Amino acid sequence: QQQVKQSPQSLIVQKGGISIINCAYENTAFDYFPWYQQFPGKGPALLIAIRPDVSEKKEGRFTISFNKSAKQFSLHIMDSQPGDSATYFCAAGGAGGTSYGKLTFGQGTILTVHP
Amino acid sequence: KAGVTQTPRYLIKTRGQQVTLSCSPISGHRSVSWYQQTPGQGLQFLFEYFSETQRNKGNFPGRFSGRQFSNSRSEMNVSTLELGDSALYLCASSLAPAHSSYEQYFGPGTRLTVT
Repeated sequence: QQQVKQSPQSLIVQKGGISIINCAYENTAFDYFPWYQQFPGKGPALLIAIRPDVSEKKEGRFTISFNKSAKQFSLHIMDSQPGDSATYFCAAGGAGGTSYGKLTFGQGTILTVHP
Repeated sequence: KAGVTQTPRYLIKTRGQQVTLSCSPISGHRSVSWYQQTPGQGLQFLFEYFSETQRNKGNFPGRFSGRQFSNSRSEMNVSTLELGDSALYLCASSLAPAHSSYEQYFGPGTRLTVT
């Protein structure tokens, strides 16, 4: 019940295209859903996050879509650039108790953007 | 503001030894979470500290421990190292979780290799 399932494992897109990564969760106690970007040799960097009271959040070229009833959320990267090539992780966090400071991560998606 | 810093960045140890890793959170952040990242298991939560107290712990053996100091700096210790402990150890800092946000900001990690 604590799992977050992420797909696809890898994704190749052309420069200027749209990259879409999907995640699904089971635990309805999750109330915070961030996305992280990680480059080789670096720690994950927070990209964008959403809470269940909104269905979409956009920051620049990055958009999170959230479907509470389906328990799914996705990251859309518009106008993908070669510099976006990295590993992307979705995550989920709960409120209080056994959720203190704990994010449950998906397995990651390796995104490659070809010039 | 300076980001999360972790020392050392790289470490090579032998089976059976112990190791201590250090994390300095972003100024003003009082919560520190630790994660283990491996290719096979992905990012897994180790524990979280807030105001020098461990408030949450993941499913890791007792060989993994940590502490937090009054200035919010944190250390984690792994005793009796095993080959399977080879991983990237990441710490993340956050404002007090009593806040509505769960933004966690990661450091660059410590790459531990056990031989």
